[in-house]
Amino acid sequence: GEDVEQSLFLSVREGDSSVINCTYTDSSSTYLYWYKQEPGAGLQLLTYIFSNMDMKQDQRLTVLLNKKDKHLSLRIADTQTGDSAIYFCAERPSGGYNKLIFGAGTRLAVHP
Amino acid sequence: EAGVTQFPSHSVIEKGQTVTLRCDPISGHDNLYWYRRVMGKEIKFLLHFVKESKQDESGMPNNRFLAERTGGTYSTLKVQPAELEDSGVYFCASSPRGGAMNTEAFFGQGTRLTVV
Repeated sequence: GEDVEQSLFLSVREGDSSVINCTYTDSSSTYLYWYKQEPGAGLQLLTYIFSNMDMKQDQRLTVLLNKKDKHLSLRIADTQTGDSAIYFCAERPSGGYNKLIFGAGTRLAVHP
Repeated sequence: EAGVTQFPSHSVIEKGQTVTLRCDPISGHDNLYWYRRVMGKEIKFLLHFVKESKQDESGMPNNRFLAERTGGTYSTLKVQPAELEDSGVYFCASSPRGGAMNTEAFFGQGTRLTVV
């Protein structure tokens, strides 16, 4: 079945690294995404990775993909208070279009 | 350029009433999607329009939900009659023409629906 799992909550100290993990089930997924939702805002695409890659780095963000284990992670270096938000992992099965399968979201709390 | 806009941002209605949510996609985007997040759970796909045609409505929960996209521009999602379990945040997203080559769907801020 289609299911994306993520831990619900993560608390980190400002300046530390955050690692948010996600597992997905559809091995045919072409793209995997990380979306961010700040309070009162919509979903903002943070980054995505194509399924034939195993790592993607974008400034403070590093995405790791283990296709064998169907495991995706998002590492945020030097976490800041502005990073506090809900982070959603999503997979896009093959077949085109942007019909995404989301997880329940991980709430990241950054404290001083 | 305006992003995806949704109206209203919040709606509180009584069980049995009717509510209509509206989504204005980014101008020129053929693809329009509706999603829903219920009670802090995962965001679930509801349906997908390509222009005015329903491409995929496999996620629609039941026949109390009716989505339209007349003229291929804005879309409405009507819930009639609303039930308590319909409470949640309804997101709309749009993406340009084309399927597999589009890597990003742009999301609106969502409409928070509360049925009491």
